[in-house]
Amino acid sequence: NAGVTQTPKFRVLKTGQSMTLLCAQDMNHEYMYWYRQDPGMGLRLIHYSVGEGTTAKGEVPDGYNVSRLKKQNFLLGLESAAPSQTSVYFCASSLRAGTGRANYGYTFGSGTRLTVV
Amino acid sequence: AQKVTQAQTEISVVEKEDVTLDCVYETRDTTYYLFWYKQPPSGELVFLIRRNSFDEQNEISGRYSWNFQKSTSSFNFTITASQVVDSAVYFCALSEADRTGANSKLTFGKGITLSVRP
Repeated sequence: NAGVTQTPKFRVLKTGQSMTLLCAQDMNHEYMYWYRQDPGMGLRLIHYSVGEGTTAKGEVPDGYNVSRLKKQNFLLGLESAAPSQTSVYFCASSLRAGTGRANYGYTFGSGTRLTVV
Repeated sequence: AQKVTQAQTEISVVEKEDVTLDCVYETRDTTYYLFWYKQPPSGELVFLIRRNSFDEQNEISGRYSWNFQKSTSSFNFTITASQVVDSAVYFCALSEADRTGANSKLTFGKGITLSVRP
């Protein structure tokens, strides 16, 4: 009954290094999202996925790539980290509403604090 | 495009005061969902409420209450008799109704930092 698990929780990178953030959910949710949170900016959507094998760009996708090879996992990659990518990253998941157009809410992970020096 | 505006950035009150956090939204859809989240100093996001666009009834949960007015596109949050534990960042968020999945994403306001002093 873990919900959404993000690893790692903290990471310090040097400029130019690469890394992958992992988001795993055990609720069989179709939709998954990656957000970044910066002071005074709220949470902004980076990329999202509406199903296994599909991804789409959000509001701030530049510098990031994602993959959803398995339904339960959503990976966020930084190929060449920059100081501007210092942020707190949140993953979330939600159920697909189907024809009823309902929204059953979102489950968020506890966040990953990334510092790029 | 959907948008959420939280014009207040920081609010400071003394314990036991009432405080209202404002949220104004924009959407072209007639079916949408509004949310409030609390982010305490520990950093996690705590879900407070979800409200769909067809339900304009105000809601009360303990010291928390929400006022949804479609006429003014507002979904305001009031904390009655505030406590130090209410100190947090509060986010209002909007999601349009899910049709293709592209509309399911959540759009957040910039957040309001509430400080409750003893």
